[in-house]
Amino acid sequence: DAGITQSPRHKVTETGTPVTLRCHQTENHRYMYWYRQDPGHGLRLIHYSYGVKDTDKGEVSDGYSVSRSKTEDFLLTLESATSSQTSVYFCAISGEGRGTEAFFGQGTRLTVV
Amino acid sequence: AQSVTQLDSQVPVFEEAPVELRCNYSSSVSVYLFWYVQYPNQGLQLLLKYLSGSTLVKSINGFEAEFNKSQTSFHLRKPSVHISDTAEYFCAVRGSGGSNYKLTFGKGTLLTVNP
Repeated sequence: DAGITQSPRHKVTETGTPVTLRCHQTENHRYMYWYRQDPGHGLRLIHYSYGVKDTDKGEVSDGYSVSRSKTEDFLLTLESATSSQTSVYFCAISGEGRGTEAFFGQGTRLTVV
Repeated sequence: AQSVTQLDSQVPVFEEAPVELRCNYSSSVSVYLFWYVQYPNQGLQLLLKYLSGSTLVKSINGFEAEFNKSQTSFHLRKPSVHISDTAEYFCAVRGSGGSNYKLTFGKGTLLTVNP
């Protein structure tokens, strides 16, 4: 299995509070992604990174920010959590090269109450 | 821009029956195509991928998918399913050139195999 760890695995937080989710990889892969998974919507890309300090928005980036100060860590921050951000969040990593597939973490279940 | 459409949200079948999970994509550039599988309460695992060459690609557990460029499709098939194939299946597309490493997923198809 690819070395990718998400933390925490579960979190309950209150509306309006900031929340940070961490994705840590040991594969030295260049590309890292944050997705959210909701019933009926599949996986939707929030943000992704193509290198240290290089990030770009996905299709559902409003209310989220990211940072990547080291190759191995990609942080997702909910600036002020809302109930609509209750979801399962997945981090993925991908190397360079032709057709390299993405490897996924185990997910973080976030509940905003 | 690229997108993926999985035409069936749920597919119930009986054990040992054949199954087809449909996937269509749109993209303005050449693409790589993937099928991922997600078992309950787990992350996603790669099932198979199409890069180039032979349009028929196979997985180690009996699934296969065929790339059809004219129909922009990448349907997943298995001739005889098992109970253990019950899972959610996601089709995904990524651009094959330049700096396009954005990986876009469909909404998923829940395959339920009944005894």
